[in-house]
Amino acid sequence: GAGVSQTPSNKVTEKGKYVELRCDPISGHTALYWYRQSLGQGPEFLIYFQGTGAADDSGLPNDRFFAVRPEGSVSTLKIQRTERGDSAVYLCASSPTGPQAKQYFGPGTRLTVT
Amino acid sequence: DAKTTQPNSMESNEEEPVHLPCNHSTISGTDYIHWYRQLPSQGPEYVIHGLTSNVNNRMASLAIAEDRKSSTLILHRATLRDAAVYYCILRVPNTGNQFYFGTGTSLTVIP
Repeated sequence: GAGVSQTPSNKVTEKGKYVELRCDPISGHTALYWYRQSLGQGPEFLIYFQGTGAADDSGLPNDRFFAVRPEGSVSTLKIQRTERGDSAVYLCASSPTGPQAKQYFGPGTRLTVT
Repeated sequence: DAKTTQPNSMESNEEEPVHLPCNHSTISGTDYIHWYRQLPSQGPEYVIHGLTSNVNNRMASLAIAEDRKSSTLILHRATLRDAAVYYCILRVPNTGNQFYFGTGTSLTVIP
């Protein structure tokens, strides 16, 4: 079946601009996660959705970052007033609920802020 | 955040077994041990997970120490396609089940 998809695969933007990154999870997965991965580092947790609500947004670095999942499926990560330090690969994962549930990751969106 | 410690890098010859260690001395009784791997330019993918007992699947085996303060991922016969970064992660059931990744172990497989 279809896995997690993310669009765009690459995004180049200028400092100060607004960007939106999209995640299409596996159908039926109630949990959705966003992570950010800088070069040479492991993925860093940003936000977790259970259904439509953000159950834990403690990983968002500041108020320029926001994410939504209005219908409990597709999610959008929004970054305002981008900075060069926001350049990274943004990963999305989805899973069924439960501590043993596997997370299925998308291929990521590579964001470059010039 | 539940912490794990792994060697930064390891090498293995092709067709030989590989033992990837992980220390998690602060693990609590309900934390699951998960292993994921990340191939170049891809998102992480599930390898195996366990709680107390050793686990086997088609990809690998997971050996968990009796005190659960360490575990070892075992690839029985390394292939070139196993070259990846391997992450050992503790999953805390009473949180959102999000993962806290470390820097992982970069495995190089030598032909």
